[in-house]
Amino acid sequence: DGGITQSPKYLFRKEGQNVTLSCEQNLNHDAMYWYRQDPGQGLRLIYYSQIVNDFQKGDIAEGYSVSREKKESFPLTVTSAQKNPTAFYLCASSISGSTDTQYFGPGTRLTVL
Amino acid sequence: AQSVTQLDSHVSVSEGTPVLLRCNYSSSYSPSLFWYVQHPNKGLQLLLKYTSAATLVKGINGFEAEFKKSETSFHLTKPSAHMSDAAEYFCVVRFMEAGGGNKLTFGTGTQLKVEL
Repeated sequence: DGGITQSPKYLFRKEGQNVTLSCEQNLNHDAMYWYRQDPGQGLRLIYYSQIVNDFQKGDIAEGYSVSREKKESFPLTVTSAQKNPTAFYLCASSISGSTDTQYFGPGTRLTVL
Repeated sequence: AQSVTQLDSHVSVSEGTPVLLRCNYSSSYSPSLFWYVQHPNKGLQLLLKYTSAATLVKGINGFEAEFKKSETSFHLTKPSAHMSDAAEYFCVVRFMEAGGGNKLTFGTGTQLKVEL
């Protein structure tokens, strides 16, 4: 059953802690993306990776970090430097970095207590 | 600069009546355009996409959208709303970056409410 999985679905964090969100895909896609969604706003791009061992900053990368050591995995770390981390985080993938259609995972809702 | 504007933040229709969700875009060349749907606390699901083939694009669940270059619009329609259509809908434009990357710009979303 192919698709994109994100875990956990809900995540709670204390202020000052780093937290890592998981994103895995078995679609054999080269490109992967992380977005942040806030109420009343569209999705904003945090980081993207067109190929293994390479990634680029998106529009709102400050306070976040990523790695792409394996094709199927693109974890996102929300660091304590992120001023307002409470949001819904969505991971997506596409066949390649130049292919237009992106497919989305179910999301992780992060709440900072 | 590329941008996308969804003209209504909320739309309410009665079950069985037509749905119209409006979207205008700004792009310096013919873009790829998408509509995605998001149910509460879920990821986004692709409804349909336009990539310079037929201007009337048919998608899943009876939705369709028409690309009108002269009006820079890509409105989403459905002839008859169903209760299960209640969700948030995003109009999205894709443009290519100088390095060939695939960057999407999202509208702010339209919340569709379907009433009995």
